[in-house]
Amino acid sequence: EAQVTQNPRYLITVTGKKLTVTCSQNMNHEYMSWYRQDPGLGLRQIYYSMNVEVTDKGDVPEGYKVSRKEKRNFPLILESPSPNQTSLYFCASSPREGIGSYGYTFGSGTRLTVV
Amino acid sequence: SQKIEQNSEALNIQEGKTATLTCNYTNYSPAYLQWYRQDPGRGPVFLLLIRENEKEKRKERLKVTFDTTLKQSLFHITASQPADSATYLCARSNQAGTALIFGKGTTLSVSS
Repeated sequence: EAQVTQNPRYLITVTGKKLTVTCSQNMNHEYMSWYRQDPGLGLRQIYYSMNVEVTDKGDVPEGYKVSRKEKRNFPLILESPSPNQTSLYFCASSPREGIGSYGYTFGSGTRLTVV
Repeated sequence: SQKIEQNSEALNIQEGKTATLTCNYTNYSPAYLQWYRQDPGRGPVFLLLIRENEKEKRKERLKVTFDTTLKQSLFHITASQPADSATYLCARSNQAGTALIFGKGTTLSVSS
């Protein structure tokens, strides 16, 4: 089954404790992206990657890091989480040819709480 | 800025009626508009995409229109069912072609 897999599904952590949210896709998509979703603000892009070793900032990159060492994986790293990073996070992937010309496939989401 | 707006936060209709959701965009005209369905706590699911040179696109009970003059897309669900209750998001690509920009969504409630 074609899918984007995120782990963990739920995570509660303390301020300052480094964490990684994993994302993997099995569709051979070149493009991958991370979004966060907050009430009243909708989906906002954190980082994206056009291909292996090519990453760039989205609209809200502060406090996050990403890497793309393999085509299928695109982990999101929070080096020192803070309470304002409490949110619902989604990873998405798409064929690269023309962003917007193909639908995104989203993961099931990671609900992160930072206390 | 590249905005995309869904005018209604919520829409309540009765089973069997047609639901119509609106998406408006500003500034440049996107080459594509997309529509997604999102259930609470779950990831958005892609439904339909319409190109700027298409006036209308259909998929089963779903219909999307694209009016570049009005800078608007309409999303219709005919013969709506309680199972159609969800939040529906529209999206467009940004001008750089590096991301989809999403509207904040319209939450549809279909009562039986």
